[in-house]
Formats: sequence, structure tokens, C-alpha cells
Amino acid sequence: AQSVTQPDIHITVSEGASLELRCNYSYGATPYLFWYVQSPGQGLQLLLKYFSGDTLVQGIKGFEAEFKRSQSSFNLRKPSVHWSDAAEYFCAVGAKEYGNKLVFGAGTILRVKS
Amino acid sequence: IAGITQAPTSQILAAGRRMTLRCTQDMRHNAMYWYRQDLGLGLRLIHYSNTAGTTGKGEVPDGYSVSRANTDDFPLTLASAVPSQTSVYFCASSKERGNEQFFGPGTRLTVL
Repeated sequence: AQSVTQPDIHITVSEGASLELRCNYSYGATPYLFWYVQSPGQGLQLLLKYFSGDTLVQGIKGFEAEFKRSQSSFNLRKPSVHWSDAAEYFCAVGAKEYGNKLVFGAGTILRVKS
Repeated sequence: IAGITQAPTSQILAAGRRMTLRCTQDMRHNAMYWYRQDLGLGLRLIHYSNTAGTTGKGEVPDGYSVSRANTDDFPLTLASAVPSQTSVYFCASSKERGNEQFFGPGTRLTVL
């Protein structure tokens, strides 16, 4: 069955430090992938997406992610974290071969310390 | 209206009562979705609709029903609420199935 794993439930980084949030998937097909961010009490906002082409994708708010097929990963990165980045981050994966149903990871809560 | 709206924002409901969560989008998206979000489980798909007039079951459909009479509206009904349906419910839409999804602000439902 398709699955998405975000190994880190919580991550704390200092403001100005770099960030990497991990996402691994298990799919028997070529996936497309998303990263969403959720601030407390809010809905999910799309940060970036990968369907095909260049495996390094740029998103909003200075985020980027790299699709690595050999590692079944789609890790989210940001070179310098701002206090406003504190939120919960979700990786999501879908595939045409599985009816385009989007499967979400359990989320990673990011805390930023000043 | 801009994007997706959901109503109510929150609701406390007695077990056994019927409840309809409303979702409206103004983006003329064909596909719409209902998810529930529970701590540690991420988002799980309840039902979806690829286009007006069609619906399908997601990962956790039991106890829920949906209808899609037109493009804009996609209500979710709990026929007889149970405490395990306490959750935050998100409606989403996408231009077509497989495109990026846009989410509403959510409805926090508590069933006592």
C-alpha cells in the first residue's frame, strides 16, 4: 500500500539556522509530491509541488525541496529560518496509477527559537 | 467569496444527532474532497468528487455521506454522530483530480 513517512514529529531550530524536514514515501508508481504548511487554527497552504522535470523545486517563502527517486524522498529545506516559519508541515504524495488519491504524512511540527 | 469557505467554524454536537458540514468554492474547480485531521495521523480522505454529479469513497468513509449537486458545493453529512467523529474537518478542491489541492479553513467538530 502507498505510504508517506515524516520521521520527525517535532523539530526545533534557532532563528537564522538552516532547516531540513524529511519525507519518505513508499509507492509502486511514479509519484507526484507536495509540501503543505499549516499554521495553528488554519487550513493548509501549498508550499511547493513536484510533478516532473527538474528534481529541485522552488516554493514560496524561500522553501525548496528535492525529489530523489533512488531514496524515495522529497525533503523540504530552507537556508535560514524565520520565527514566522513555526507551523506544522505536511508532505503529500499521489500517483495516477492509484487513482490520484493524495496520501499525507503525519506532519512535522516546527518550533523556532530566538 | 474567495477560495473555499466552510461552515460552521466549530460545533459541539450530541451523539446521535445529524450534522451537515458545508463547503463552497468559487474557483470553478472540478474536484472536491473532504478530509479529517486527527493528531498524529495527518489528513485522511473521507470522500471525494471528481466532478459535479459524482462522488467516491476515500480512506475513512464510514459514518459519512456526501453529495455534489453542482460545481460549487460539497456538503458532508454525519447521519448519526459518534464521539469518534470528533475531529477537524477540511474541505479542499482542485482544478482536476491529481492537481494541487486548495484547502478551506476547517471545521472543528466535537461529538459528546
